[in-house]
Amino acid sequence: DADVTQTPRNRITKTGKRIMLECSQTKGHDRMYWYRQDPGLGLQLIYYSFDVKDINKGEISDGYSVSRQAQAKFSLSLESAIPNQTALYFCATSDGDYTDTQYFGPGTRLTVL
Amino acid sequence: AQKITQTQPGMFVQEKEAVTLDCTYDTSDQSYGLFWYKQPSSGEMIFLIYQGSYDEQNATEGRYSLNFQKARKSANLVISASQLGDSAMYFCAMRDNQGAQKLVFGQGTRLTINP
Repeated sequence: DADVTQTPRNRITKTGKRIMLECSQTKGHDRMYWYRQDPGLGLQLIYYSFDVKDINKGEISDGYSVSRQAQAKFSLSLESAIPNQTALYFCATSDGDYTDTQYFGPGTRLTVL
Repeated sequence: AQKITQTQPGMFVQEKEAVTLDCTYDTSDQSYGLFWYKQPSSGEMIFLIYQGSYDEQNATEGRYSLNFQKARKSANLVISASQLGDSAMYFCAMRDNQGAQKLVFGQGTRLTINP
């Protein structure tokens, strides 16, 4: 079984709808991240959380919100989806050790019409 | 602020040949970490290899090795004996040691392995 899972894997929605993307991990990591990737580009950080009570904005948080329900779960919401939020969304986790390697989920392809 | 530069948008290599993917970085930090990730056409982001700035030896993981030249600020990925399954986008990344400690990615190199 995958260590980091994301649901849904694909989603098509309409402008103005509220959407929630979910991330779960079994790696036991404290740190979790949400990134988005636009076609042909690298990843940009949306939100991050270093533990259940710690939530921080990343570089492109406008239009998004998050919830850290437990150490293993970190959800991303689009309050009112717009077409330029069409992207590939990744959840990642890390344990804050010497390398602090981030391990990514499989991604959610979101299309906003 | 950290910056990663990958100057090869695309590379084509024959199966079983070795390939080097270039990565240069810019940082004012003395302590930093460098990563390579593989993104196949299916979209997932797969961690390949890590190199710490204070690591005395170049990192190796199976067929992957990292040619780390600190003075030149380069961290090239070497894939030995390439396979068709190596066809993918490859991203070099550096961890930002401030705040979020997010990963800063380069633009990526699309590697195509020809049979």
